[in-house]
Amino acid sequence: DGGITQSPKYLFRKEGQNVTLSCEQNLNHDAMYWYRQDPGQGLRLIYYSQIVNDFQKGDIAEGYSVSREKKESFPLTVTSAQKNPTAFYLCASSRSPGTSTDTQYFGPGTRLTVL
Amino acid sequence: QKEVEQDPGPLSVPEGAIVSLNCTYSNSAFQYFMWYRQYSRKGPELLMYTYSSGNKEDGRFTAQVDKSSKYISLFIRDSQPSDSATYLCAMYGGAQKLVFGQGTRLTINP
Repeated sequence: DGGITQSPKYLFRKEGQNVTLSCEQNLNHDAMYWYRQDPGQGLRLIYYSQIVNDFQKGDIAEGYSVSREKKESFPLTVTSAQKNPTAFYLCASSRSPGTSTDTQYFGPGTRLTVL
Repeated sequence: QKEVEQDPGPLSVPEGAIVSLNCTYSNSAFQYFMWYRQYSRKGPELLMYTYSSGNKEDGRFTAQVDKSSKYISLFIRDSQPSDSATYLCAMYGGAQKLVFGQGTRLTINP
C-alpha cells in the first residue's frame, strides 16, 4: 500500500520543548517537502529536499530543522525557537521536481498544539 | 500583494448546483496549475492538473486556465454533499516552488 505516512496524528508540546514530526514515503519519490497550514493562510513551505543529504529553506524556516539521511524519510523538528508552533503540519513528496509533469502528493498531516 | 489570491469563502450552495471556484495570480512565470481538495483534518489530495490555457475535464470537474488574464477556475457540476471540502489552487513555474492560494471552504447542502 503505497503512500505517505505522518506520525503522530496529534502532538502536544510544552513551552520550551523540541518535538520531531515523522514523515515516511514508499513512493520512491526524490523530493520531499514540509508545509505549515494555518486557518485562512493556505500552505506555507518550511523546508524541502530534492535529494538525500541535501535540503533547502522554504519561506518560513526559522525555528525549524530537518534532515534527509534516507530517501524515504524526512523528519521535521520544531524547536523552542519557533514562536508560534501551533498549526497543522503537512509532508509531501514528488517524483521529478522541476519537470512539467511533477505533482506533489500529501500525507495525512500532524496537528501540533502548544500547551 | 500575494502571488496567488483565492477567496476563502465560505461558500454554501444547494446540492445539484454548479460551483465555480477561482484564483488569480500575478506571476507570469507560473505555467503549471493544480487544484487540490482537502477534507477536514486530512491532507490535500490532487484533483486536477493543467498546463496550457483552455479547459480540462474529468467527470464532474472542469479546470479552466486563462493565462492572458492570469485567472484559473474549477467548476463542479451536479455538486454532491461529498464535495464539501476546502479547495486549494496551486501553481508553479520558474522557481519550481509550489505556491498555494488560501483555499476556499465549500459546503454543499442536501
